[in-house]
Amino acid sequence: GENVEQHPSTLSVQEGDSAVIKCTYSDSASNYFPWYKQELGKRPQLIIDIRSNVGEKKDQRIAVTLNKTAKHFSLHITETQPEDSAVYFCAASRGSSNTGKLIFGQGTTLQVKP
Amino acid sequence: EAGVTQSPTHLIKTRGQQVTLRCSPISGHTSVYWYQQALGLGLQFLLWYDEGEERNRGNFPPRFSGRQFPNYSSELNVNALELEDSALYLCASSLGLSGANVLTFGAGSRLTVL
Repeated sequence: GENVEQHPSTLSVQEGDSAVIKCTYSDSASNYFPWYKQELGKRPQLIIDIRSNVGEKKDQRIAVTLNKTAKHFSLHITETQPEDSAVYFCAASRGSSNTGKLIFGQGTTLQVKP
Repeated sequence: EAGVTQSPTHLIKTRGQQVTLRCSPISGHTSVYWYQQALGLGLQFLLWYDEGEERNRGNFPPRFSGRQFPNYSSELNVNALELEDSALYLCASSLGLSGANVLTFGAGSRLTVL
């Protein structure tokens, strides 16, 4: 069945450093890869997403890269700030097809130390 | 624009009881997804409804069921509650099969089973 593996489970960085979270997926038909941020006690919120027709997407301090051949994608956060501290989830799906449910990774708890 | 709304926000039940959780999607969204987030764990896919039909189901027993109404709101029902059903139940909505499934989450219903 479909599966998304996410690493690391926890990540601690100093403010200003970069953070990288990696995910691999099993379903080769996946073509949509979003990243969600969940702050403590709050709902997950979409921060960036990428589709299979591009290899990289950037939005200010965050970027996502996709390697379809290797079936993995990564989230890069540069110049981290304390407010970046949260749980980050990657996900994969087949997009808008009938089987397009979003499968999430296990989450990465990012702590940015001031 | 109102976001995804869920009710109740918190509830406590005892083993063997039944519970119904409710979700109203963003206006114009036809798809509703249900996820279970147990403490410290990721988001486990439960159910996906679009245009009133169940489109996909996760690896959960039949005592987890739901439905979607003509106004696209949805209910999640859990029968014969077990202790391990204690979790945050998140509902999300999207444009559905007519568009890419960018999910917007509600704040969740936190269920405690004693």
